[in-house]
Amino acid sequence: AQSVTQLDSHVSVSEGTPVLLRCNYSSSYSPSLFWYVQHPNKGLQLLLKYTSAATLVKGINGFEAEFKKSETSFHLTKPSAHMSDAAEYFCVVSDRRGFQKLVFGTGTRLLVSP
Amino acid sequence: EPEVTQTPSHQVTQMGQEVILRCVPISNHLYFYWYRQILGQKVEFLVSFYNNEISEKSEIFDDQFSVERPDGSNFTLKIRSTKLEDSAMYFCASSELGIAGQGSYEQYFGPGTRLTVT
Repeated sequence: AQSVTQLDSHVSVSEGTPVLLRCNYSSSYSPSLFWYVQHPNKGLQLLLKYTSAATLVKGINGFEAEFKKSETSFHLTKPSAHMSDAAEYFCVVSDRRGFQKLVFGTGTRLLVSP
Repeated sequence: EPEVTQTPSHQVTQMGQEVILRCVPISNHLYFYWYRQILGQKVEFLVSFYNNEISEKSEIFDDQFSVERPDGSNFTLKIRSTKLEDSAMYFCASSELGIAGQGSYEQYFGPGTRLTVT
């Protein structure tokens, strides 16, 4: 069975400071890992994905994540937060063997203050 | 850019009534999914659908739920007799392919339908 644990339910940063959203995963097989973002009253938008190629993955809007198998982690980072980054972020795992059922974490709400 | 669309954006229904939530996946996609998110909880997988049949379903997806692709563009989720606990945001998603190594299998999500059961 697969699962993800998002270690922080809320993260608060100031605009212009770095962002770190933490995620640990559990998977019996080689996983695919994703970060999705959900802005208020909006759908889920894919930020980035890891699928066994490069371990450092770059996504949209300056976000990136590093797959660390030894630590079973896939933390999301951004060097400098913008006000528009305020949203809910979901770490997601799927089993790459077959049909892509996505398993979501509980989400981290990112708050950005001026 | 192609996108998944869902209608209606908000549906209010009385307990025991049937509802149909509609989705139009991206046109060249072959795999379709429904997820739900109860307020304050995480997004949960309901069902995946490929080649006109269910490929996987969760424990949530009981006999009250059904899915259908009635034509070449729509994908629907039917709840036969709604319960209060069915109130949630329902997301439709689609992917080009579902098996790694054979093209893109990223899931693209629609904006969701908020279902309120009173």
